[in-house]
Amino acid sequence: EAQVTQNPRYLITVTGKKLTVTCSQNMNHEYMSWYRQDPGLGLRQIYYSMNVEATDKGDVPEGYKVSRKEKRNFPLILESPSPNQTSLYFCASLPSRADYNSPLHFGNGTRLTVT
Amino acid sequence: QKEVEQNSGPLSVPEGAIASLNCTYSDRVSQSFFWYRQYSGKSPELIMSIYSNGDKEDGRFTAQLNKASQYVSLLIRDSQPSDSATYLCAVNNQGGGADGLTFGKGTHLIIQP
Repeated sequence: EAQVTQNPRYLITVTGKKLTVTCSQNMNHEYMSWYRQDPGLGLRQIYYSMNVEATDKGDVPEGYKVSRKEKRNFPLILESPSPNQTSLYFCASLPSRADYNSPLHFGNGTRLTVT
Repeated sequence: QKEVEQNSGPLSVPEGAIASLNCTYSDRVSQSFFWYRQYSGKSPELIMSIYSNGDKEDGRFTAQLNKASQYVSLLIRDSQPSDSATYLCAVNNQGGGADGLTFGKGTHLIIQP
């Protein structure tokens, strides 16, 4: 089944403890992206990747890191999480960013709470 | 900065009636438009996509696009309680911005039984 898989689904952590949220897609998509979603603010893009070893900042990149060492994986790294990073996170992918008629495929989301 | 505007709602519609959701966008070169439905705490799921002016129908859903006026709408006929969700409008642009894909903040739709 074609899908975007995020792990974990739920995560509660403490301020300053490094964490990684994994994202993997099995569709051979070139483009991958991370979003956070907060009440009243909608989906905001954190980072995106056009292809392997090609990542770029979105609208709210502060406090986050990403890597794209292989096509299928796009982990989101919080090196020193803070309470304002408590949010619902989504990973998404597209076959190619040049394909403007394709919709995003979303993962199931990760609910992160930082205390 | 490219913007996509939606009325946040909540929009309350009686069961069986037509729900009308609207979205305006700022970038005239926008090429493709998507409507996603999102239940609370779940991931967005694609409902409709539309690329050219006019109407596109799929079952109870109709998307309408008017590029001259820079708006796109979603009509839901025979609304059901299961249609209660937040509806996100997304606009795809060629070039510019972070990566040209912009989401509205969503309209919360409530279908009253």
